[in-house]
Amino acid sequence: SQQGEEDPQALSIQEGENATMNCSYKTSINNLQWYRQNSGRGLVHLILIRSNEREKHSGRLRVTLDTSKKSSSLLITASRAADTASYFCATDGRITGRRALTFGSGTRLQVQP
Amino acid sequence: DAGITQSPRYKITETGRQVTLMCHQTWSHSYMFWYRQDLGHGLRLIYYSAAADITDKGEVPDGYVVSRSKTENFPLTLESATRSQTSVYFCASSNLRETGDGELFFGEGSRLTVL
Repeated sequence: SQQGEEDPQALSIQEGENATMNCSYKTSINNLQWYRQNSGRGLVHLILIRSNEREKHSGRLRVTLDTSKKSSSLLITASRAADTASYFCATDGRITGRRALTFGSGTRLQVQP
Repeated sequence: DAGITQSPRYKITETGRQVTLMCHQTWSHSYMFWYRQDLGHGLRLIYYSAAADITDKGEVPDGYVVSRSKTENFPLTLESATRSQTSVYFCASSNLRETGDGELFFGEGSRLTVL
C-alpha cells in the first residue's frame, strides 16, 4: 500500500504560472522528500523536509509540511516548460522499520510553453 | 564514471526464464534498493540492503531474489519470470543516516517485458 498519495494525479499549466502538488501520508515520519522524474529517466531528489520543520525553500521550490494533518505540498513558482515531469513524495520507514522510502503514485505536471 | 548504473536498460524475455538485472554504484553507499514502477502503483519496494551480505524484503518481494556480496553491486534475479513482472525496475543507493535523512540516487531503470 502507498504511504504517500499525491494530488492531483495530473496538472497542466502555462509557463510562468505556479504549480502546487499535494501529498498525504498515513503514519508518523522522520522526514518527507520530493523527487522528480523526467519521462523515461530515473528519479532525482529535489528536497527533504524534516518532521520538525514547517517550510523549506530551494530555488523556485517551496515545500511545506503539516504533521498534524499528515500532509505536504510542493510549490513550483514561475514554472518553465523544462519543469514538465512527474513529481513524487516519499516518506521514511519510521513505522514500518524499513530503512527505505515509500513513494506515492506521483503527480504528472505538464507546463505548456 | 561515478554514479549508479543499471544493465540491461531493455530486456525482453519469455515466461519461465531466469533474468538478472544488474546494479552497480561507485559511491560506496551502504544502502541499496530495488523498486519496480508500474502505472497506477507508483514505485514499490522489492528488496533492499543495508550493507554487504545484509538484505531484507520490501513490499513486493515474491518471485525475486537478491544478493549483495560486494558493497557496490546489488543484482536482482527473477528466477522464473511471469507476465506480471513486466515493469520498469529502478535501482537506488543511499547513505541513509540513523535519523532517516539521506537522499536516494536512482539509476536510469531497466525496462523488462515478459512475453
